[in-house]
Amino acid sequence: DSGVTQTPKHLITATGQRVTLRCSPRSGDLSVYWYQQSLDQGLQFLIQYYNGEERAKGNILERFSAQQFPDLHSELNLSSLELGDSALYFCASSDDRALGEAFFGQGTRLTVV
Amino acid sequence: AQSVTQPDIHITVSEGASLELRCNYSYGATPYLFWYVQSPGQGLQLLLKYFSGDTLVQGIKGFEAEFKRSQSSFNLRKPSVHWSDAAEYFCAVRVPNDYKLSFGAGTTVTVRA
Repeated sequence: DSGVTQTPKHLITATGQRVTLRCSPRSGDLSVYWYQQSLDQGLQFLIQYYNGEERAKGNILERFSAQQFPDLHSELNLSSLELGDSALYFCASSDDRALGEAFFGQGTRLTVV
Repeated sequence: AQSVTQPDIHITVSEGASLELRCNYSYGATPYLFWYVQSPGQGLQLLLKYFSGDTLVQGIKGFEAEFKRSQSSFNLRKPSVHWSDAAEYFCAVRVPNDYKLSFGAGTTVTVRA
């Protein structure tokens, strides 16, 4: 158990809809990262939050947004969903020490039909 | 451009045989290097990491990896594979002062009896 909790584990929704994925980081970790894993793109970094502030942005679509709340949990919002958004979405957290490693949750499997 | 390459998409190995997974990176300086394993339906678990120092690093589950600066490689090895090692393995890098990970495409390992 990595200590990172993601909910829900599975999500099936229709095209055009909006969903919210939730992540609770390990206790004490200030950084949260979101990654997307798809068959065609592999594992791609989406976005990072540190203590409530956006710190880095990767290949995140404009239809996607994220935030980190004062209790440090994070949500990834995906809107106007398309079939191609079907993927496994991972959250990771780290304590951001110079050699801090990232711990990954078990992911949310999103299926857009 | 910065990149992480895992040349082997799929490797099949007999139980008890040795395993080597290749990873090459292309970065301006020596990045921090990681190997993660993903079992079916699971999240990413860190096997080992290299930041500096001894170029042969030991990890969990009997895995080791060797950093070779001259070859820009960080290959993962295990002397004797167990059936439970069947999984997908990802090499990942991050540069100092940047906490996001860049992943290779992954290598799927199948273990035959």
